Amino acid sequence: QSVLTQAPSASGAPGQRVTISCSGSSSNIGTNTVNWYQHLPGAAPQLLIYNDNQRPSGVPDRFAGSKSGTSASLAISGLQSEDEADYYCAAWDDSLNGWVFGGGTKLTVL
Amino acid sequence: QVQLQESGPGLVKPSETLSLTCTVSGGSISSSYWSWIRQPPGKGLEWIGYLYYSGSITFNPSLKSRVTISVDTSKNQFSLRLSSVTAADTAVYYCARHNYDVLTGRWIDPWGQGTLVTVSS
Repeated sequence: QSVLTQAPSASGAPGQRVTISCSGSSSNIGTNTVNWYQHLPGAAPQLLIYNDNQRPSGVPDRFAGSKSGTSASLAISGLQSEDEADYYCAAWDDSLNGWVFGGGTKLTVL
Repeated sequence: QVQLQESGPGLVKPSETLSLTCTVSGGSISSSYWSWIRQPPGKGLEWIGYLYYSGSITFNPSLKSRVTISVDTSKNQFSLRLSSVTAADTAVYYCARHNYDVLTGRWIDPWGQGTLVTVSS
């Protein structure tokens, strides 16, 4: 049981927009910044979003993060086949004094 | 560009100790926080603990009694030891850099590729 809650799956057709949600609590998302990761099988998780909505250099602007209260979202627009992956949210938790993660959302591009 | 690589046995017997090392290249270990994270098959990510190069260490309370994390600055490496393992400790283990900035908060990047450790007799 992950501390942050994500839907296990999401899907969309090429070119469409998909939103992945992440729900937490006041000790994590409500107080600290949210990060999003893209994880392909057998590869290292890749940072997509940090500080709720900032993209590292090299991440396309098709990926956008937002946060409101104790929930966060990752929007992917102009879906491409290479976006098919697992997506995880993460945040620092002040009660744990450590990292908490979502259970991951498997994105399928139809 | 900082890169991380995990190494260690892929198979550990129940009740024994799992030992992994993370080698940091492209940057100094003496400048950041470093974390161990794992992912059991079919499950989500679980933070194990992190250390600062000076030796300050924080653990996930759920694993604290069994975890040791250490650093070797001369080799630019940090290590994980998890004692009394069971099948529930079977997972892909990742090492990663834990970043912090007063303006942009905390984030984990980069990560190692991960190494699968199976606990089985």
